Amino acid sequence: QKEVEQNSGPLSVPEGAIASLNCTYSDRGSQSFFWYRQYSGKSPELIMSIYSNGDKEDGRFTAQLNKASQYVSLLIRDSQPSDSATYLCAVIANAGKSTFGDGTTLTVKP
Amino acid sequence: KAGVTQTPRYLIKTRGQQVTLSCSPISGHRSVSWYQQTPGQGLQFLFEYFSETQRNKGNFPGRFSGRQFSNSRSEMNVSTLELGDSALYLCASSKQGGGYEQYFGPGTRLTVT
Repeated sequence: QKEVEQNSGPLSVPEGAIASLNCTYSDRGSQSFFWYRQYSGKSPELIMSIYSNGDKEDGRFTAQLNKASQYVSLLIRDSQPSDSATYLCAVIANAGKSTFGDGTTLTVKP
Repeated sequence: KAGVTQTPRYLIKTRGQQVTLSCSPISGHRSVSWYQQTPGQGLQFLFEYFSETQRNKGNFPGRFSGRQFSNSRSEMNVSTLELGDSALYLCASSKQGGGYEQYFGPGTRLTVT
């Protein structure tokens, strides 16, 4: 079992729809959770961080964390073609070591 | 505020050689982490430095090493290069590390022939 698993892609949604990206992790001691967006040929860009259970909203992005179920998700509302990218889930355990998922590639079709 | 910078951006080396990559973190950030990204393995954690000390280490052979200077700049060294070391090497800086938000540099694309 991978330490951080993301829903297999690619994921395709029409423009204006909600894109839902999911991530599960195995280390119950994990305390910090992040979502990065990576465009092809570019480095990852931090878009959301979440540390406690519940929802965190930032513009069109909402991160959701459920530590009991060991999952974190990212919702993108009103998806735009510019949101087409690979989304990486990152988890940091108590020891401070970062583990990334393999990423989910999102395509938003006009 | 200037972002994370990495030099060089591109590098071509021959198997058996060694290479040194450099990373300058965001001003005020004291933690620098290094990652290797390949299509097959994804983003893999190499090590993290905080205040000139290696605080965390991933599962990479001893050929991969790093250091951090008093100004928080960091270097990563790979000795005895192998073809499989061809990858994008990313540096990320954080205020404190250990769970804080990390910001990535543009990366160094290393090709080993």
